[in-house]
Amino acid sequence: AQTVTQSQPEMSVQEAETVTLSCTYDTSESNYYLFWYKQPPSRQMILVIRQEAYKQQNATENRFSVNFQKAAKSFSLKISDSQLGDTAMYFCAFIEIGNQFYFGTGTSLTVIP
Amino acid sequence: DADVTQTPRNRITKTGKRIMLECSQTKGHDRMYWYRQDPGLGLQLIYYSFDVKDINKGEISDGYSVSRQAQAKFSLSLESAIPNQTALYFCATSDSLRGQPQHFGDGTRLSIL
Repeated sequence: AQTVTQSQPEMSVQEAETVTLSCTYDTSESNYYLFWYKQPPSRQMILVIRQEAYKQQNATENRFSVNFQKAAKSFSLKISDSQLGDTAMYFCAFIEIGNQFYFGTGTSLTVIP
Repeated sequence: DADVTQTPRNRITKTGKRIMLECSQTKGHDRMYWYRQDPGLGLQLIYYSFDVKDINKGEISDGYSVSRQAQAKFSLSLESAIPNQTALYFCATSDSLRGQPQHFGDGTRLSIL
């Protein structure tokens, strides 16, 4: 069974606009951690943002923020003021305490000038 | 210098050859992982190691083996490469503290003809 689901294989956004990438996950645990990683064409995997499930406050990192809905098991990434350098694959990832990481299948984001 | 170093960066080889991909890290992390990435499938876990004497199979370990030579070194071997093992391979590390993100090498692009 798929533990992490990214339902948008591809998305595009105009430069300077805002875009939201969706992610849902499945778990019976109450304590876990969620992450978004960015993979630009250079193929590096870069950590964008981290969220702890027991914290109700949504994590933010500059132009990147999340909308964490624990009851709905949803963890979306919002990119504000999109820049050309944001063009990349974005992966949602999830870890339960003591267990392995699970990654979604990714969303390819293109920022259009 | 990179914290997680993978060698080689790219490799082209023939079916039936034995291949070794190497990973070393300077982060001092106990945990190391090998993933493969295929288009549309995200990252799939091959093997992981929580310390030098602890090696575990991931979801797609068939056809692969690993060796944890030291805390800082974790190598992946393909004993007899086949074309469907053509993929991008990533090594990652993480701290044993709960909820810590994984840190990735730059990947090895492996092509098997």
